[in-house]
Amino acid sequence: GAGVSQTPSNKVTEKGKYVELRCDPISGHTALYWYRQSLGQGPEFLIYFQGTGAADDSGLPNDRFFAVRPEGSVSTLKIQRTERGDSAVYLCASSPSGSRGTYEQYFGPGTRLTVT
Amino acid sequence: TQLLEQSPQFLSIQEGENLTVYCNSSSVFSSLQWYRQEPGEGPVLLVTVVTGGEVKKLKRLTFQFGDARKDSSLHITAAQTGDTGLYLCAGGNSGNTPLVFGKGTRLSVIA
Repeated sequence: GAGVSQTPSNKVTEKGKYVELRCDPISGHTALYWYRQSLGQGPEFLIYFQGTGAADDSGLPNDRFFAVRPEGSVSTLKIQRTERGDSAVYLCASSPSGSRGTYEQYFGPGTRLTVT
Repeated sequence: TQLLEQSPQFLSIQEGENLTVYCNSSSVFSSLQWYRQEPGEGPVLLVTVVTGGEVKKLKRLTFQFGDARKDSSLHITAAQTGDTGLYLCAGGNSGNTPLVFGKGTRLSVIA
């Protein structure tokens, strides 16, 4: 079946501009995660949705970052007034829900954001 | 704050050699997941271990979860050039909570 997809694959923007990054999770997965990966680092958690609601947004670095998942499927990560320090690969992952204790996360290919 | 430390950070070996990479924490996790990531791609899940002391084998890869569920190791036997990549360990807590990742071990296998 189809995996997690992310668009665009690459985004170059000027400092101060607004950007939107899109994630299409695996069909039927109710949990969706956004992570950010800087060069030479592991992914760092940003925000996690269970259905339509943000269950945990404690990883968002500041109020320039916002994410939505209005219908419980596709999610959009929005960054306002971009800064050069926002340059990174933004990864999306999805996970099924159920009665098991631990759920594996499946990642998309990421969006490489470069702020010039 | 839960942290995972991976070692070594970089590893370059000849094809056919064996290697072990480590993932350590002072925190207890419900599960440990290992991923491999290649340039320009997202992490790909290799294995999940959930029971203290658990050992899982995936062809030439052997994964172990520490008895106290604070550490894990990945052993590769007879490495091949196709094993080259960034190996990430990630700790999970119960339910759908976000993963905590280590910084990864960058493995290069030379023919």
